[in-house]
Amino acid sequence: AQKITQTQPGMFVQEKEAVTLDCTYDTSDQSYGLFWYKQPSSGEMIFLIYQGSYDEQNATEGRYSLNFQKARKSANLVISASQLGDSAMYFCAMREAGGGGSNYKLTFGKGTLLTVNP
Amino acid sequence: DAGVIQSPRHEVTEMGQEVTLRCKPISGHDYLFWYRQTMMRGLELLIYFNNNVPIDDSGMPEDRFSAKMPNASFSTLKIQPSEPRDSAVYFCASSLVALPGTQYFGPGTRLTVL
Repeated sequence: AQKITQTQPGMFVQEKEAVTLDCTYDTSDQSYGLFWYKQPSSGEMIFLIYQGSYDEQNATEGRYSLNFQKARKSANLVISASQLGDSAMYFCAMREAGGGGSNYKLTFGKGTLLTVNP
Repeated sequence: DAGVIQSPRHEVTEMGQEVTLRCKPISGHDYLFWYRQTMMRGLELLIYFNNNVPIDDSGMPEDRFSAKMPNASFSTLKIQPSEPRDSAVYFCASSLVALPGTQYFGPGTRLTVL
């Protein structure tokens, strides 16, 4: 089974509107972390936001927020007030604690291509 | 502050040749990761190091691939001999033990094997 599922291959949004990118995950660990990365057409991977499994509040970083619903195992990324520069591929990723509690590997989803229209 | 540095940015080689990709992590970071990205398989972790020691190389596709980290500021990923199916973008990333999972990526090396 896939550990990270991003069901939206592509999304379109109008400039200045908000958009939600979906991510569901699968783990049996109690301690884990969820991440979102942005990959613009230039190719670099840019860290956006992090949510720990024990964090009670949803993470926010500027216009990015992570809608964390633990019972549903979802970690959706919300981008408010979309800008043309937000057009990129977005990846959800998870770090599981692992047996020794020291697993630093990330498992990535397949990504969602966001296009912001003017 | 300098981010993760990778070289070369682009590499075109012929099948059978040796390829060496280089990475300089962010100064002070404890962990270094090598990834491969292709359209078909997405982003795959190949190997990662902690304090210059390889921790998990289960993602290395086969013996043609090898990685080293001789010191805290330098790592190499070598493919010998290269094959057309190795064509991909190879990323290096680094992170701090204090921020597990928050990895900072280099710009990547786009490898084309003819």
